[in-house]
Amino acid sequence: NAGVMQNPRHLVRRRGQEARLRCSPMKGHSHVYWYRQLPEEGLKFMVYLQKENIIDESGMPKERFSAEFPKEGPSILRIQQVVRGDSAAYFCASSPDRGAYNEQFFGPGTRLTVL
Amino acid sequence: AQSVTQPDIHITVSEGASLELRCNYSYGATPYLFWYVQSPGQGLQLLLKYFSGDTLVQGIKGFEAEFKRSQSSFNLRKPSVHWSDAAEYFCAVGARTGTASKLTFGTGTRLQVTL
Repeated sequence: NAGVMQNPRHLVRRRGQEARLRCSPMKGHSHVYWYRQLPEEGLKFMVYLQKENIIDESGMPKERFSAEFPKEGPSILRIQQVVRGDSAAYFCASSPDRGAYNEQFFGPGTRLTVL
Repeated sequence: AQSVTQPDIHITVSEGASLELRCNYSYGATPYLFWYVQSPGQGLQLLLKYFSGDTLVQGIKGFEAEFKRSQSSFNLRKPSVHWSDAAEYFCAVGARTGTASKLTFGTGTRLQVTL
């Protein structure tokens, strides 16, 4: 069973461009989470999605950031008009839906650099 | 809102010595607690987790952690550290949202192992 896959692993964008980060959850997992890790900091929750639904977006910046998890295909984290402060590692995690609590499995991350 | 404090930013131990990494949490209900390890440029790997029951939990790679409700702590321990344990360690609290949970991370403790 392949783990959580993220691509690209590294992404370089110039200020004002768009960044699209993709996450394919583990097979059988219906929950996806996105976290951001700024340099020298811990991970910060951004958004939690299930198929075609945003469940909790309390950690998402109000502007320029959006996320989706369509019925088919990977989850996408989209950052419009990137700024230097968006440079960070973005991690995706997935979990199954098997009851009381679901462990999260993390992908290798996408490291975004904004020039 | 939940929070996690890891008071030690950086710890250095000699190979073969014992290790204890501190973690204190704030949460209004029964916590779900985790320790993750992150090697440079990599994603997060789960070391161990506490959901309920026995307050001393065993994890992978010889790590263990003890949940102490009275002290709001979940310290990670290893009796004899190996050079390969050098990495960043994150403590996390899980909050319940529906049937799955977002995680709140501490800022991490960077472990250096000297030979």
